[in-house]
Amino acid sequence: EPEVTQTPSHQVTQMGQEVILRCVPISNHLYFYWYRQILGQKVEFLVSFYNNEISEKSEIFDDQFSVERPDGSNFTLKIRSTKLEDSAMYFCASSRTGPYQPQHFGDGTRLSIL
Amino acid sequence: SQQGEEDPQALSIQEGENATMNCSYKTSINNLQWYRQNSGRGLVHLILIRSNEREKHSGRLRVTLDTSKKSSSLLITASRAADTASYFCATAVDSNYQLIWGAGTKLIIKP
Repeated sequence: EPEVTQTPSHQVTQMGQEVILRCVPISNHLYFYWYRQILGQKVEFLVSFYNNEISEKSEIFDDQFSVERPDGSNFTLKIRSTKLEDSAMYFCASSRTGPYQPQHFGDGTRLSIL
Repeated sequence: SQQGEEDPQALSIQEGENATMNCSYKTSINNLQWYRQNSGRGLVHLILIRSNEREKHSGRLRVTLDTSKKSSSLLITASRAADTASYFCATAVDSNYQLIWGAGTKLIIKP
């Protein structure tokens, strides 16, 4: 069964550094998402992406964050200048036909900011 | 704003018993979805119930939806140790490009 893959599984970065989290969504999916989850708590929506542009973003997704689909397979989340509070699990997800449909998640990247 | 709220926050039962989790939400929805998350893993979609449906089954899972009370329940029958996980509800709202998530119920099945 196709799956969403995320790399790296764990990223340790110094505060103030830039970090790029990578995701390969399921190949025939059209909608892509980033979420974060702090310590197994609530899932927080960051951004949704469709047709090569952001379709919706949350208050968390400020100017420090950006997303890109640089080619036909990868979907990246960049945090420009990391803060301690950015430490969390970051999940990528994709859905085939729209945000109302079931989303398929990767296993996440654990981001630790020192 | 927080849409879904699950209760209980944590539930511990014996293997073989049934587990019921509830979710409440605030606005009109297109559908409501339940997901499972095993420790350290991503979320896995379990079941989707549309706003015009009242009940749905999938294997040992039974989901109900009461739009008048803006609530849903997830019943897992004949629980197994492998059902130990966190369970989240998420609502899809028309004209929103995001799912709105509840805080989750942590389910522990004791062997």
